[in-house]
Amino acid sequence: DVKVTQSSRYLVKRTGEKVFLECVQDMDHENMFWYRQDPGLGLRLIYFSYDVKMKEKGDIPEGYSVSREKKERFSLILESASTNQTSMYLCASSSAWTENPYGYTFGSGTRLTVV
Amino acid sequence: GNSVTQMEGPVTLSEEAFLTINCTYTATGYPSLFWYVQYPGEGLQLLLKATKADDKGSNKGFEATYRKETTSFHLEKGSVQVSDSAVYFCALSVSYNTDKLIFGTGTRLQVFP
Repeated sequence: DVKVTQSSRYLVKRTGEKVFLECVQDMDHENMFWYRQDPGLGLRLIYFSYDVKMKEKGDIPEGYSVSREKKERFSLILESASTNQTSMYLCASSSAWTENPYGYTFGSGTRLTVV
Repeated sequence: GNSVTQMEGPVTLSEEAFLTINCTYTATGYPSLFWYVQYPGEGLQLLLKATKADDKGSNKGFEATYRKETTSFHLEKGSVQVSDSAVYFCALSVSYNTDKLIFGTGTRLQVFP
């Protein structure tokens, strides 16, 4: 069964900490994405990557960075966590080579609380 | 720009009722359209998709038809079950090789016995 795995389901961090959210996919997908999900706002794209060592800013990149050193792993980094980054974070991947898009495969999400 | 608008929830129904969740979109070019479902405590799962005008996507009793003339992709099910209670997201993609998806805000469905 193909999977996108996020390393933690729940995290509690203190304001100012550097936070790493890890995502691994086993489908050899080229594309990987980080979203945050907030009530009433739906999913908002933070960063995405089309290939190893490549990254593109999404709609809300401020306060975040990413790393993609290997094809299967895409990390989201909160440089200095703040309370307004308390949210559900969702990682997803997709193939760049399907003739018709079949959509994303999502991880189960990481619920981050910054106190 | 590209965007997706969904009806606000929650949508509250009794079991076996008919379901419609409205979705309209604005897009340049020829988007592909998707419905995703998120069950409590889980990530999103692809429910169905349509890649061109007049296509009908279907899965698990849910259907949606890609209507270019009304720029809509409404989700329907003839008889909902308690297990259908979830949040439903409409989404579009305008570039299949980069596959960047734009999501609506989601609609919560609550089905009672």
